[in-house]
Amino acid sequence: QQQVKQSPQSLIVQKGGIPIINCAYENTAFDYFPWYQQFPGKGPALLIAIRPDVSEKKEGRFTISFNKSAKQFSLHIMDSQPGDSATYFCAASLMGGSEKLVFGKGTKLTVNP
Amino acid sequence: DARVTQTPRHKVTEMGQEVTMRCQPILGHNTVFWYRQTMMQGLELLAYFRNRAPLDDSGMPKDRFSAEMPDATLATLKIQPSEPRDSAVYFCASGLGRGAREQYFGPGTRLTVT
Repeated sequence: QQQVKQSPQSLIVQKGGIPIINCAYENTAFDYFPWYQQFPGKGPALLIAIRPDVSEKKEGRFTISFNKSAKQFSLHIMDSQPGDSATYFCAASLMGGSEKLVFGKGTKLTVNP
Repeated sequence: DARVTQTPRHKVTEMGQEVTMRCQPILGHNTVFWYRQTMMQGLELLAYFRNRAPLDDSGMPKDRFSAEMPDATLATLKIQPSEPRDSAVYFCASGLGRGAREQYFGPGTRLTVT
């Protein structure tokens, strides 16, 4: 119940395409869902996050879609660029004051020129 | 700009040796997390501190790993004795706490145990 399942493991798109990465969870006590971006040799960096009271959040070219009833959320990258090539992790956090995050296994995105 | 720092960035050691990794959280952050990243397991939480007190170290092998915060500006993760299966990248992250969920990661320590 503490898991967050992420798919696909890897994804290749052409420049300008819209990669979509999906995550699913079981525990309805999760109430914070961030996405992290990690470049090779670097630590993960917070990209965008959503709480379950909204169905969508946009920041620049990055959008989170959230489906509370299906217990799923996804990351969309509009007009993807080669510089977006990285590994993306979804995560979830429990309500109640704990700052602990449960991470998905990651998706390696490659955007070809 | 404010960022989490970790030392060393790379460490190669022989099996059985003690390894100490250090982390300086962002000034003013009161939560500190230690993660281990491997290809097989992904990102695993090892330990979690709030206001320097350990809140959760259930992800840490207790017999060989220990984590401490001697003061608010330093967190340490020790492995004694190290084993080849400990080879991984170890990340420290810090957060504001007080319900703020954002975590800011350091650059990591790449540990290789031969």
